[in-house]
Amino acid sequence: KAGVTQTPRYLIKTRGQQVTLSCSPISGHRSVSWYQQTPGQGLQFLFEYFSETQRNKGNFPGRFSGRQFSNSRSEMNVSTLELGDSALYLCASTRGTTNTGELFFGEGSRLTVL
Amino acid sequence: AQSVAQPEDQVNVAEGNPLTVKCTYSVSGNPYLFWYVQYPNRGLQFLLKYITGDNLVKGSYGFEAEFNKSQTSFHLKKPSALVSDSALYFCAVRALSGGYNKLIFGAGTRLAVHP
Repeated sequence: KAGVTQTPRYLIKTRGQQVTLSCSPISGHRSVSWYQQTPGQGLQFLFEYFSETQRNKGNFPGRFSGRQFSNSRSEMNVSTLELGDSALYLCASTRGTTNTGELFFGEGSRLTVL
Repeated sequence: AQSVAQPEDQVNVAEGNPLTVKCTYSVSGNPYLFWYVQYPNRGLQFLLKYITGDNLVKGSYGFEAEFNKSQTSFHLKKPSALVSDSALYFCAVRALSGGYNKLIFGAGTRLAVHP
């Protein structure tokens, strides 16, 4: 069974640009969550999608957005990039919406903003 | 406020010795607790979880964790450490925060197992 797939794995952007990251969840998983990981802030929750609807969101500015498609694949977009957006962006999937289900993480997309 | 604390930035253990990685939590209602491990340049891997029932939870790779409600702790343990256990470990709790249900992670503890 294939795991969570994130693309691209690495990317470099400059300030002011925008970026789109993609996440394909495990087959059969309908919930996708996104996290930002930085050395200073640790793991910060961005948002969660289930059945194409955003169910939860973290404390990030509106420059961070996401969406989920009917096949459960998800994308997140960051507009007007800032140096502080440099981070590892992790996507995770789970089968449903239960509080008790563990998340399955992808390898992450490492974004560097110059 | 809902939170998870991992008081140690790093834990050093000799191979073959028991290891403990500490975690305490603050959450209203019943806590749903998780441990994850992260190897360099990789995503997080699920180790174990506590939802209800037996306070001692067994997980992957020989790890276990003990839920202690009175001390609001969920320490990760392993009887005999391996060099390959060296990694970054995260404790997490499912909690309602700001009206949203999300997984809140601790800052992480780096485990270094020395030969």
